[in-house]
Amino acid sequence: EPEVTQTPSHQVTQMGQEVILRCVPISNHLYFYWYRQILGQKVEFLVSFYNNEISEKSEIFDDQFSVERPDGSNFTLKIRSTKLEDSAMYFCASGEQGYNEQFFGPGTRLTVL
Amino acid sequence: AQSVTQLDSQVPVFEEAPVELRCNYSSSVSVYLFWYVQYPNQGLQLLLKYLSGSTLVKGINGFEAEFNKSQTSFHLRKPSVHISDTAEYFCAVSDKETSGSRLTFGEGTQLTVNP
Repeated sequence: EPEVTQTPSHQVTQMGQEVILRCVPISNHLYFYWYRQILGQKVEFLVSFYNNEISEKSEIFDDQFSVERPDGSNFTLKIRSTKLEDSAMYFCASGEQGYNEQFFGPGTRLTVL
Repeated sequence: AQSVTQLDSQVPVFEEAPVELRCNYSSSVSVYLFWYVQYPNQGLQLLLKYLSGSTLVKGINGFEAEFNKSQTSFHLRKPSVHISDTAEYFCAVSDKETSGSRLTFGEGTQLTVNP
């Protein structure tokens, strides 16, 4: 059964450093998403991506964040200068056109020291 | 804009007892409704979804949910729980009228099944 994969599973970084989180969505899906979950809190939407451009972003997704689909299979989230409050689990998701059902990857736990 | 309220942050139950996890939503547009489960240190797995048609939907692991439009609710039920059902459960909605729209999640309900 096809699934969304994410790497790395855990990333530790120093405050102010850049990080890139990687995702491989399900191959025939057209919509791609990033969500985050701060420990003990609910899952929050960051950004959605369709047709090689951002289709929607939340207020969390400020200038420090960017997304890219560099090669037709990977989907990346870059945080330019990490802050302590960026520590969270980051989930990638993908979906087909239509019913908005989204399939989630296992997540990357980002720890900013 | 949508919002989701899960009325119980924690639900402890004994094994083989029935359980109901409550979810209410608010939206200015029609929505699709979902329940996701998150086992410890894992990602989100879809339990079930309501898209259209019959208001009673069945999902994996013996769970079911009923969509009540007048009460804007989508409560999750299981007639007899197992220890392995211990997990965090999230209710979510998305805009039916916008293809590919975001999921808006509730705060989650921690279900703990005790022997």
